[in-house]
Amino acid sequence: SQQGEEDPQALSIQEGENATMNCSYKTSINNLQWYRQNSGRGLVHLILIRSNEREKHSGRLRVTLDTSKKSSSLLITASRAADTASYFCATETLSGSARQLTFGSGTQLTVLP
Amino acid sequence: NAGVTQTPKFRVLKTGQSMTLLCAQDMNHEYMYWYRQDPGMGLRLIHYSVGEGTTAKGEVPDGYNVSRLKKQNFLLGLESAAPSQTSVYFCASSSDTNIQYFGAGTRLSVL
Repeated sequence: SQQGEEDPQALSIQEGENATMNCSYKTSINNLQWYRQNSGRGLVHLILIRSNEREKHSGRLRVTLDTSKKSSSLLITASRAADTASYFCATETLSGSARQLTFGSGTQLTVLP
Repeated sequence: NAGVTQTPKFRVLKTGQSMTLLCAQDMNHEYMYWYRQDPGMGLRLIHYSVGEGTTAKGEVPDGYNVSRLKKQNFLLGLESAAPSQTSVYFCASSSDTNIQYFGAGTRLSVL
């Protein structure tokens, strides 16, 4: 079952614009992570936000977490063509065991030069 | 640092054949995972391990077996491959932070 669902499924923007992706989840979480996957490659961790945090920054990335709405957003500012990839949210749940993550279905971001 | 290495990168099987996917990590991580990724979907957990000699079932374990005889290696076996097992398989490892490090994937086709 999918714990996290990303929205939109696909997003196309011009280079220099900001990209916002959203993730909704169903059950209470320990933390939420965002990963990036370039075509034909493995996933790469981007950022982790804990359940008691509301916002976190890393370079051009900004992540917010609203536990009351069970949702998170990933903002990529000043996008570049190299940001073209799929982005996945992943949740570590309180009811889960052995440090499992449950991944959403992803947002495909295309940044046009 | 090699990180997480998966072999092979590609494989084509006939229905009923068996194979083993190999995963090796050089980061001394306790936790290791096997996922499958199907088109337009996220990753689904097949099996995982919390340490050498341990394995446990994930979300979609049927048709797969695993072994973790050494801390750095996690093997995924398909005993009798089926077309429904055509997928891209990813191995990952993590420490206590649960930030997972992924291999490049194995593309498997079952005809």
